Amino acid sequence: KAGVTQTPRYLIKTRGQQVTLSCSPISGHRSVSWYQQTPGQGLQFLFEYFSETQRNKGNFPGRFSGRQFSNSRSEMNVSTLELGDSALYLCASRPGQPNTEAFFGQGTRLTVV
Amino acid sequence: GENVEQHPSTLSVQEGDSAVIKCTYSDSASNYFPWYKQELGKRPQLIIDIRSNVGEKKDQRIAVTLNKTAKHFSLHITETQPEDSAVYFCAASPLELIFGTGTRLQVFP
Repeated sequence: KAGVTQTPRYLIKTRGQQVTLSCSPISGHRSVSWYQQTPGQGLQFLFEYFSETQRNKGNFPGRFSGRQFSNSRSEMNVSTLELGDSALYLCASRPGQPNTEAFFGQGTRLTVV
Repeated sequence: GENVEQHPSTLSVQEGDSAVIKCTYSDSASNYFPWYKQELGKRPQLIIDIRSNVGEKKDQRIAVTLNKTAKHFSLHITETQPEDSAVYFCAASPLELIFGTGTRLQVFP
């Protein structure tokens, strides 16, 4: 079974630009969550999608948005990039039931200059 | 929403010693508590998890304890080895997974 795949792996953007990150979950998994990882801040929850609907949302500004497609693939968009958005963005997939193991992708390293 | 606090942020032990990492959570609706290990440059991976109907779970050198009344849960690693060196994250789940800020464990030979 293929694991969780994130593209691209690395991205460099300029302040003010927007960016779209992609996550393909494990086949059969319907839940995709997104996290921002920065040194000292751990894994901060952005949002979770299940069956194309946002099921939960963390405390991030509206510049961070996402969506999920009918094949469970998910995209995350960040508009009007700020220097502080530089981070590793991880997605994680789960079958759908809440209390199950989350499988992480390798992440997308976003650098804003 | 759920808030998870994790201590210590760094932990250094001698090979063969035990290591303990502690977490507290705020949402009494949380009923699933996994622990993830993240090695340098790699993705986080589940090492053990516990559900709220269980007080303790063990898997070889790793154990997790849960005190629902106090909203505490802990990871215990015995007979530590250099390959245990990594960042460890606890998490609590009312529905979504909320993580602590991580503990960097260093095991010195």
